[in-house]
Amino acid sequence: EVKLLESGGGLVQPGGSLRLSCAASGFTFTDFYMSWIRQPPGKAPEWLGVIRNKANGYTTEYNPSVKGRFTISRDNTQNILYLQMNTLRAEDTAIYYCARRGGIFDYWGQGVMVTVSS
Amino acid sequence: VQMTQSPSYLAASPGESVSISCKASKSISNNLAWYQEKPGKANKLLIHSGSTLQSGTPSRFSGSGSGTDFTLTIRSLESEDFAVYYCQQYNEYPDTFGAGTKLELK
Repeated sequence: EVKLLESGGGLVQPGGSLRLSCAASGFTFTDFYMSWIRQPPGKAPEWLGVIRNKANGYTTEYNPSVKGRFTISRDNTQNILYLQMNTLRAEDTAIYYCARRGGIFDYWGQGVMVTVSS
Repeated sequence: VQMTQSPSYLAASPGESVSISCKASKSISNNLAWYQEKPGKANKLLIHSGSTLQSGTPSRFSGSGSGTDFTLTIRSLESEDFAVYYCQQYNEYPDTFGAGTKLELK
């Protein structure tokens, strides 16, 4: 059974940093692209970026809205996906989801809340 | 690519059929997916490639369209179908989602 479990969310001050984790299980992690998506309360989801699989060199793509502030990485020995978020702003407040694959997100985690506020 | 979804809200009764529209600001071929969002549950992929049902999606769901105009149709609504639905294009980066359609019980 595919499982994705996010962690690391919470309250952070504007300008601060946070690293989210997504523990993956139930599939061969290195075979799959992995993505991060966020959803502000009551709004539509926003794709943040993707990290490709082993066959594609674990390269990354980002939404221009977060490029330069957010970094996606993966630990392929522990099957963990990461999202490093720097210089956080109030508008980054959202539920953050990891998802399997790029483009077609066939499995999503339950999400973790990130609140940016002083 | 901007995705315009309509309507924003839809009220229907079990047994009825409903359709949700999604329009892309430029051609996206058939690179469109539909997702279902329910409280307390992970978002669920229903349809990809415009009309291909994801494994496990009931056959009462169908998708159609290509280019810029797409439709999600749910025939014979069941109680479990009342949820929020999003379309998403993956033809080009950044992937973008529609604003969502909330399907409510009439």
